Amino acid sequence: AQRVTQPEKLLSVFKGAPVELKCNYSYSGSPELFWYVQYSRQRLQLLLRHISRESIKGFTADLNKGETSFHLKKPFAQEEDSAMYYCALQAGGTSYGKLTFGQGTILTVHP
Amino acid sequence: GAVVSQHPSWVICKSGTSVKIECRSLDFQATTMFWYRQFPKQSLMLMATSNEGSKATYEQGVEKDKFLINHASLTLSTLTVTSAHPEDSSFYICSARTKGTSGGTQIYNEQFFGPGTRLTVL
Repeated sequence: AQRVTQPEKLLSVFKGAPVELKCNYSYSGSPELFWYVQYSRQRLQLLLRHISRESIKGFTADLNKGETSFHLKKPFAQEEDSAMYYCALQAGGTSYGKLTFGQGTILTVHP
Repeated sequence: GAVVSQHPSWVICKSGTSVKIECRSLDFQATTMFWYRQFPKQSLMLMATSNEGSKATYEQGVEKDKFLINHASLTLSTLTVTSAHPEDSSFYICSARTKGTSGGTQIYNEQFFGPGTRLTVL
């Protein structure tokens, strides 16, 4: 069975500081990893997926299969980045591509 | 972009009654819909996977007789919480997704999430 671990429940940084949200996973197959974001009073939305290898809102994430990690990084945090962030793993095969979410990290960016 | 709606957005009911929550994909056909449960400031827990025209697949520990899922069309799935009790109070979220192929290989497209339904059982 797959598992996603986000070790930090809360993360606080000041505006302009670098931020890294950690995510580790365990999965026997070839993983597809995602980061989702949930802003206050809004629905969950996709931030980025590892196969796209793109930067969204200044965030990047690199899949490290050796360390089984998919950490989310941004060099200069902004106040509007304050939100709940979820790392998720999508299983393949007969599992219909279901997502397993980590516990989530609440990011607060102070002015 | 793809939009998923849920109705109602919140509901309060008495213990022992049944509550139906609808999930609709507004501008795309969803081959698969997922139902999640989320507790305050906690993660989403997958309850079941629903494919159009077939029975839902429930996750371990989720009572299929208590949480009835129907996916009658490519744009609508419903979750019915039967004989609700206070411990069923939670935030229920659905997501919808299309399925495609790439180079002959089945791929899973992005899941789009609904805004959630807050259920409170008194």
